[in-house]
Amino acid sequence: DAKTTQPTSMDCAEGRAANLPCNHSTISGNEYVYWYRQIHSQGPQYIIHGLKNNETNEMASLIITEDRKSSTLILPHATLRDTAVYYCIVREGSARQLTFGSGTQLTVLP
Amino acid sequence: ETGVTQSPTHLIKTRGQQVTLRCSSQSGHNTVSWYQQALGQGPQFIFQYYREEENGRGNFPPRFSGLQFPNYSSELNVNALELDDSALYLCASSLGIANTEAFFGQGTRLTVV
Repeated sequence: DAKTTQPTSMDCAEGRAANLPCNHSTISGNEYVYWYRQIHSQGPQYIIHGLKNNETNEMASLIITEDRKSSTLILPHATLRDTAVYYCIVREGSARQLTFGSGTQLTVLP
Repeated sequence: ETGVTQSPTHLIKTRGQQVTLRCSSQSGHNTVSWYQQALGQGPQFIFQYYREEENGRGNFPPRFSGLQFPNYSSELNVNALELDDSALYLCASSLGIANTEAFFGQGTRLTVV
């Protein structure tokens, strides 16, 4: 079972920041948090990952709380093309496999 | 584009048949993982190959098997196909099994009739 819980769906206005929350209260000290997104019928797209420090790349920012029990993915200026299912994942197991939960359906509204 | 290519993109098989799906990993990546995604659900981990050896397996029966070649490309084989095997099959490649990014292909849509 996935170690993360996310809201089922969220809406965001185009041009505004999208803040997607994720709870991972049972995360272990050496487990990273990963974010992927999936646009309908395409393969999941890697966004960002982190351990305990905040991370930023060209796509998004990842804010992890100090106790590491939750995190937030921030898309700074959402566009219509950001409409997708966003998955927050804790990699676990000997293979460090990605255990996908149900994700958050983000809809960016014009 | 992730550099991970899968073939074929779509195929239809009959219950009881066997199928082979192929994945070409991103250049330099030595690890390939396979996932099954049923309609409306998140991807489920099938197994992983690291340097031509199976490195981990999810909750899938033995009729799901795989192979990784010296060039790190990979195959997923499914025997005795069942209707519930209809799904999008995804492969992801990465460099090693530590905490690195895994990049997915576009998947193979398998329909079992």
